[in-house]
Amino acid sequence: AQSVTQLGSHVSVSEGALVLLRCNYSSSVPPYLFWYVQYPNQGLQLLLKYTSAATLVKGINGFEAEFKKSETSFHLTKPSAHMSDAAEYFCAVTGRTGANNLFFGTGTRLTVIP
Amino acid sequence: ETGVTQTPRHLVMGMTNKKSLKCEQHLGHNAMYWYKQSAKKPLELMFVYNFKEQTENNSVPSRFSPECPNSSHLFLHLHTLQPEDSALYLCASSQGPRTGSSYEQYFGPGTRLTVT
Repeated sequence: AQSVTQLGSHVSVSEGALVLLRCNYSSSVPPYLFWYVQYPNQGLQLLLKYTSAATLVKGINGFEAEFKKSETSFHLTKPSAHMSDAAEYFCAVTGRTGANNLFFGTGTRLTVIP
Repeated sequence: ETGVTQTPRHLVMGMTNKKSLKCEQHLGHNAMYWYKQSAKKPLELMFVYNFKEQTENNSVPSRFSPECPNSSHLFLHLHTLQPEDSALYLCASSQGPRTGSSYEQYFGPGTRLTVT
């Protein structure tokens, strides 16, 4: 079975500071992993995905995430936060079993302080 | 239109009304999903359709009735809802199972439903 844990439901950073959003996963099969962003009153937008190629994945808006199998982690980072990064971020996992359901974490709300 | 569209974007309905939410995807996908997103709760998967067949119903009350006439369209029919059904209803699409894809889902903007 697959599941995702996002540590910290709220994270605050200063503008220009490093953003680090944590995601740990559990999967009984090799996983695909995803990060999504949701702005107020909008749907979820795919930020980046890991599909077993490079372990360091680059996404849109300057975000990247590193797959660490030994730590079962897929943390999201951005070197310098921008005010427009304020949103809710969701980590998701699915198994490479031919089944297509995603399992989402509970989300982390990012606040950027000017 | 591109991506996944949902109509209406906002809906207010009384508990005795019947209404429908519509979702359309323009991505050539063959799997579609309904999710419910309530304040301070995790995203809840409601229904999954693969190749127009319902493959998952996560114990959703019968007052929610999905319909998938083809791989591009998905409806959620609503009747005799309760105030606790007020939420953002999100539709998503992806490649279907066993297609060798990575199964990322693409979401519509959602319908904000208020039940009075």
